[in-house]
Amino acid sequence: EVHLLESGGGLVQPGGSLRLSCAASGFTFSNYAMGWVRQAPGKGLEWVSSISASGGATYYADSVKGRFTISRDNSKNTLYLQMSSLRAEDTALYYCAKDLQVSGSYYDFDYWGQGTLVTVSS
Amino acid sequence: QSVLTQSPSVSAAPGQKVTISCSGSSSNIGNNDVSWYQHLPGTAPKLLIYDNNKRPSGIPDRFSGSKSGTSATLGITGLQTGDEADYYCGTWDRSLSGVVFGGGTKLTVL
Repeated sequence: EVHLLESGGGLVQPGGSLRLSCAASGFTFSNYAMGWVRQAPGKGLEWVSSISASGGATYYADSVKGRFTISRDNSKNTLYLQMSSLRAEDTALYYCAKDLQVSGSYYDFDYWGQGTLVTVSS
Repeated sequence: QSVLTQSPSVSAAPGQKVTISCSGSSSNIGNNDVSWYQHLPGTAPKLLIYDNNKRPSGIPDRFSGSKSGTSATLGITGLQTGDEADYYCGTWDRSLSGVVFGGGTKLTVL
């Protein structure tokens, strides 16, 4: 059974940093692209970033480009999101998600974690 | 303001059919396949449709998808109270080199 477990969320001051992790199990992690999607309070889903199966290709939303870095460790079956220069508008529930197909569309996410909450506030 | 445009809300009675639309441009829907997600508050989003009209394993055929030009549509037949949720379309945008979601449509089953 596929399982994705996010961790690393919490309260951080504006300008601070945080690293989210997503531990994956139940599938061959190194075969699939992965992504991060967030939902701010009262708002809709917002794609944050995606990474190819090998980690060689990464993509970011304009709202986080230059501040967030997505990475993965295929030997540890873990996806990461390093967040820096955090702003109040980054406050959201952050989900990690698995791509549906090995070929990787970067937006067909068939499995999602339960999310980890990031709150940016002084 | 989302790149993909969805109506904020739609409603229908149990047993009826509803359609949810998603409008984009040649930069996104016009040249890429569309996915649809169901999101109930407090739960993880669920992939309902991918590649415009394909259903992942376990998704009932009450859910269907179509695409024409720069617009896509999600159809739900035989509405159930359990279908009350927010529905999002998503695709790749080649100008942004990233994924874009619609703003979401809240479905109310009266």
